[in-house]
Amino acid sequence: SQTIHQWPATLVQPVGSPLSLECTVEGTSNPNLYWYRQAAGRGLQLLFYSVGIGQISSEVPQNLSASRPQDRQFILSSKKLLLSDSGFYLCACRGGHSYGYTFGSGTRLTVV
Amino acid sequence: DAKTTQPNSMESNEEEPVHLPCNHSTISGTDYIHWYRQLPSQGPEYVIHGLTSNVNNRMASLAIAEDRKSSTLILHRATLRDAAVYYCILRYTGTASKLTFGTGTRLQVTL
Repeated sequence: SQTIHQWPATLVQPVGSPLSLECTVEGTSNPNLYWYRQAAGRGLQLLFYSVGIGQISSEVPQNLSASRPQDRQFILSSKKLLLSDSGFYLCACRGGHSYGYTFGSGTRLTVV
Repeated sequence: DAKTTQPNSMESNEEEPVHLPCNHSTISGTDYIHWYRQLPSQGPEYVIHGLTSNVNNRMASLAIAEDRKSSTLILHRATLRDAAVYYCILRYTGTASKLTFGTGTRLQVTL
């Protein structure tokens, strides 16, 4: 079965600082990978998805970027964080013959 | 993406069955019906999915209307651990298919 490792679990960053969140996947190869954000009390918003190494699709214009340097590694970045970037960030994958998506445990980011 | 409509919240007593409805009147023939749930401060968890026929697994059952314009997630015996937000999502079968989450149904389970 697929397992997603996501870290850190919580993060407090000042406005204007850079961000790098990493997600790694085990148990599958060539997965589709996704980054979601959930603002407090809101639903999940898809930010980026990737169907292969170096292939990134952005769903909404924003202050964030994503990269996929390896098959099972997905990175979410920002050069300068905004207050509005605060939220619960979740990495997800779908691989192999799996119909279901597996989600990581998430990173709760607070920009102060 | 075809949209789904779910009640904002529902309540159930522990040990009782729960029927969570979902309307998806604009569903296309290639859309699968997926259900996920999200416990507080956790990532969503896959529950079940189906295309046309009713489905059962260890977590729940999925009943799909004959015209596929609605479906119902059935928890046979609700427990306190089933309290979560339940999302009904349509996913087309393309390679780059995505899960688009709505607001879901918040299920409260009481003793």
